[in-house]
This record gives sequence, structure tokens and C-alpha cells, in this order.
Amino acid sequence: ETGVTQTPRHLVMGMTNKKSLKCEQHLGHNAMYWYKQSAKKPLELMFVYNFKEQTENNSVPSRFSPECPNSSHLFLHLHTLQPEDSALYLCASSQDGVSASGTHEQYFGPGTRLTVT
Amino acid sequence: AQSVTQPDIHITVSEGASLELRCNYSYGATPYLFWYVQSPGQGLQLLLKYFSGDTLVQGIKGFEAEFKRSQSSFNLRKPSVHWSDAAEYFCAVGPTQGGSEKLVFGKGTKLTVNP
Repeated sequence: ETGVTQTPRHLVMGMTNKKSLKCEQHLGHNAMYWYKQSAKKPLELMFVYNFKEQTENNSVPSRFSPECPNSSHLFLHLHTLQPEDSALYLCASSQDGVSASGTHEQYFGPGTRLTVT
Repeated sequence: AQSVTQPDIHITVSEGASLELRCNYSYGATPYLFWYVQSPGQGLQLLLKYFSGDTLVQGIKGFEAEFKRSQSSFNLRKPSVHWSDAAEYFCAVGPTQGGSEKLVFGKGTKLTVNP
């Protein structure tokens, strides 16, 4: 596997379900991100992890719970979601976090298309 | 605060025609600038990037972009569009203030290519 992978690619869940999205990067990067992309809305940054530590939570509701066990893996745990949470969830990684030598470009996975019924 | 403006929400061109997608940014220092492309239902793919040096940068798929500091612009161009270029294009700037690794993305420009 190369690049950034995400599983599952598609997920349908009820409002009372609990599910998790998984992201794995094979690029040796130190920073990982979750984004939400809804129809007709701009890309929304949700969470940032840098060297496994959460450095940003963009006022995301607590029904979304991220987990970063190591620099290669990132999870998004979902519970009691709402229909408006239906969206494409994108994971990304970048080489370096706050170092001035970082190049900052982010590499994206293919996304998980989430539908909440 | 940093911001990115893509003035055109939707652009339609004919196959073989030239293309220019506009991007304007607001940034307090020398920016890192990026263009990404997204096909329907897919993630974002990096087309090209500018950090420093030559203000005309070449990317993949025959795209290029020119950094113009005086105009705070980083427009994307392609001399001859192919039907496979139909997608959504995002401009981004970073890093954000305080050295954060975050990028700020524009709202995107959707490109339709007519045969």
C-alpha cells in the first residue's frame, strides 16, 4: 500500500449506531488531519494531530471522537450521529508539523462517504 | 487571518481550449501555495506547489501556475484542456499563523469540459 488509505470507502449508519473510520498513511509523515466535505460547502478541517498529539479541534461536536495511536494511524469514532453529519470524510497527512523546514503539502486519502439514516 | 478566494464557482470550457482558474490569497508573509484537484467521490490530489524561487511552477497533468506577489494571486493554467480534466479544483495557502501545519483552502472551482 502506498500513500494514504481510508476504510471503509462507504458507510451507512443509523443515528444510534457506533462506528469508526480508519486512516493509514504509508508516507512516514508526522501530522494527520480529518476533514469533512459536505455538498455545496467548503472543506472543513475537523482535527489535527502532530506527532500523535491533538493540536487542533475545530469546535467539532463530541459525537465525533478522534484517536491517533501512532503517527501512521488515525481513527474517527462516530456515535449518535445526525443526518446532517452525512458527508465525505477525508483524511490527510503531511511531512512535518510546526518545523520551519516542513513543506506543508498535505496528501489526501480517497475518503469515506458516510450516510446517516 | 489567512484566506483564499476562488472567485469562480463554476467554469465551463470546450475540450482543447485554454484554461485559467483564479486564486487570490491574503497572507502576512511569504506563502506556501498549492493547487489540488478532486474528481467526484475521490480525495484531493496535489497538482503543484510553490514555496520560493521561480514564480512559474509546473505541475502534473500539464498544469502550471504563476505566483504574482503584487497581485496576491496564484492562478492555475493549462493550454489545452482534456475531457478528463473535468473535476473540482482547490487552491490552498499555508502555513497558518504561529507556524501551524494547517492549510487554508478556497471553496473550489468546478470545471466542466464540453466535447
